[in-house]
Amino acid sequence: DSGVTQTPKHLITATGQRVTLRCSPRSGDLSVYWYQQSLDQGLQFLIQYYNGEERAKGNILERFSAQQFPDLHSELNLSSLELGDSALYFCASSPSGSGSVGEQYFGPGTRLTVT
Amino acid sequence: AQSVTQLGSHVSVSEGALVLLRCNYSSSVPPYLFWYVQYPNQGLQLLLKYTSAATLVKGINGFEAEFKKSETSFHLTKPSAHMSDAAEYFCAVSAGTAGNKLTFGGGTRVLVKP
Repeated sequence: DSGVTQTPKHLITATGQRVTLRCSPRSGDLSVYWYQQSLDQGLQFLIQYYNGEERAKGNILERFSAQQFPDLHSELNLSSLELGDSALYFCASSPSGSGSVGEQYFGPGTRLTVT
Repeated sequence: AQSVTQLGSHVSVSEGALVLLRCNYSSSVPPYLFWYVQYPNQGLQLLLKYTSAATLVKGINGFEAEFKKSETSFHLTKPSAHMSDAAEYFCAVSAGTAGNKLTFGGGTRVLVKP
């Protein structure tokens, strides 16, 4: 158990819909990262938040957005869903104190199926 | 910018045999390197990390990896495969400071034959 929690575990929805994925980082971790894992694209970085502020953006579509709340949990919002958005979405967190070398701890993922 | 190439998307080994998974990286700055394992229907678990303190890094479950700057490689090995090692393994690189995104290789799926 990494200490990172994600809900829901599975999500099935229809094209055009909007969903929200939730992540709680490990206790004390200030950084949250979102990744998408799909068969054709592999593991891709989407976005990073640090202590409530957006820190870095990767290959995140404009239909997708995220935020990190004061209690440090994060939500990834996916809208106007398409079949190609079906994937496993991972959240990760990393420690930020001295001695950290950027290792990230991953949650169990949310499997999104768009029908 | 960073990139990672994992040679071989599938590797088959016999139980008790050497496991060797290859990873080559590209980085414009001194890298931090990681190996993660993903068991079926689970998240990614950190196996080991290279932090520039030592070129030979020992991780969990008997795995180790050697950083070779001249070859830009970070290959993962385990002397004796166990059935429980069947999983997908990912090599990842981040820029040489904490708090950076991970760039992953394509993954290598390991099958262990009895």
